[in-house]
Amino acid sequence: DAGITQSPRHKVTETGTPVTLRCHQTENHRYMYWYRQDPGHGLRLIHYSYGVKDTDKGEVSDGYSVSRSKTEDFLLTLESATSSQTSVYFCAISDRVSTDTQYFGPGTRLTVL
Amino acid sequence: AQTVTQSQPEMSVQEAETVTLSCTYDTSESNYYLFWYKQPPSRQMILVIRQEAYKQQNATENRFSVNFQKAAKSFSLKISDSQLGDTAMYFCAFMKPYSGAGSYQLTFGKGTKLSVIP
Repeated sequence: DAGITQSPRHKVTETGTPVTLRCHQTENHRYMYWYRQDPGHGLRLIHYSYGVKDTDKGEVSDGYSVSRSKTEDFLLTLESATSSQTSVYFCAISDRVSTDTQYFGPGTRLTVL
Repeated sequence: AQTVTQSQPEMSVQEAETVTLSCTYDTSESNYYLFWYKQPPSRQMILVIRQEAYKQQNATENRFSVNFQKAAKSFSLKISDSQLGDTAMYFCAFMKPYSGAGSYQLTFGKGTKLSVIP
């Protein structure tokens, strides 16, 4: 299994508070992604990174920001959490040098009350 | 934009039997990648199988195989000798090939919930 961890694994927060989710990899892969999973929608891309300090928006980026200051860490921030951001968040990594396949972390369940 | 459709929200199969999950997609690309991911109750997303569109041969991984019909834009997953551990959500996904910094985005279907019955 790819070495990907996410923290925290579960979080409950209140509307209007800032939240940061962390994705950490030990594979030295260049590409990292954040997805959210909601019932009836499958997984949808929020943001992705193609290198340190290089990021771009995905399909559902409104209300989210990301940062990548080191190869191994990719942070997802909800500046002011809303109830519509209650979801399960997955980080994924890939390394195009060897494969285009994305490997996923264990997920973070976020509840915004 | 690409779309991926899984028309079977739920399916069930008897243990040791064979089941086929359907997936269709819409794209104007000629080269791309297709994937099946499995999500068991543990929530972990696990790669089952992948197919490169330029390869005519259908991919196979042990009990899992695909029927890739490029002209029909169809990518079905066949699970042979179903086991209780195959009970999971199965997601079909599409990826464009490299074309600059905006590449490698996976587009997922909504999933098929498969139950293997003892």
